[in-house]
Amino acid sequence: DTGVSQDPRHKITKRGQNVTFRCDPISEHNRLYWYRQTLGQGPEFLTYFQNEAQLEKSRLLSDRFSAERPKGSFSTLEIQRTEQGDSAMYLCASSLLREWNNEQFFGPGTRLTVL
Amino acid sequence: AQSVTQLDSHVSVSEGTPVLLRCNYSSSYSPSLFWYVQHPNKGLQLLLKYTSAATLVKGINGFEAEFKKSETSFHLTKPSAHMSDAAEYFCVVSTSGGSYIPTFGRGTSLIVHP
Repeated sequence: DTGVSQDPRHKITKRGQNVTFRCDPISEHNRLYWYRQTLGQGPEFLTYFQNEAQLEKSRLLSDRFSAERPKGSFSTLEIQRTEQGDSAMYLCASSLLREWNNEQFFGPGTRLTVL
Repeated sequence: AQSVTQLDSHVSVSEGTPVLLRCNYSSSYSPSLFWYVQHPNKGLQLLLKYTSAATLVKGINGFEAEFKKSETSFHLTKPSAHMSDAAEYFCVVSTSGGSYIPTFGRGTSLIVHP
């Protein structure tokens, strides 16, 4: 399968714990995005990487959140000291930006539940 | 700045009747526009995209959309709804002014009655 993969698919944690999610993009894609989606809403942009450089972070991304893409391939998203409000679906997408065309390919998501 | 407004949070149709999901966008730059579909417990899938070529865009599963610059709209249509079309649909805008970071609409839930 050459699509975008995310691990784990589901994570249940207690408030205050740290969690880390992984995303493996399509191999030749230079851009990787993280989104958060809550029930009844569209995906909200969190951050993106162009190759290994993190170019932009949303105001939604508090200092408890950190993302890395160390070699321009897979990426991790860590949430420290989780809060109940962090419960959501975390989506990863990748794209090969070419001029006008920034079609994104999405992974299945990681559903986080904070108790 | 860029934004997208999906005018209906829910659309209900009968199987075999036409589908219209409305989307308006705002952008200071020439936009790329996309429609994605999300079935329950499934990932987001691209239906179709407009990237400055033909204004009438055909996508998968019989869907199409027309880019109308004068109306800043990109409505999604299908001539005949199928039960399997029931899902959440997202309109998305992306521009060079926004570093090509996509902005999603809030989504339209399509309900198809037998």
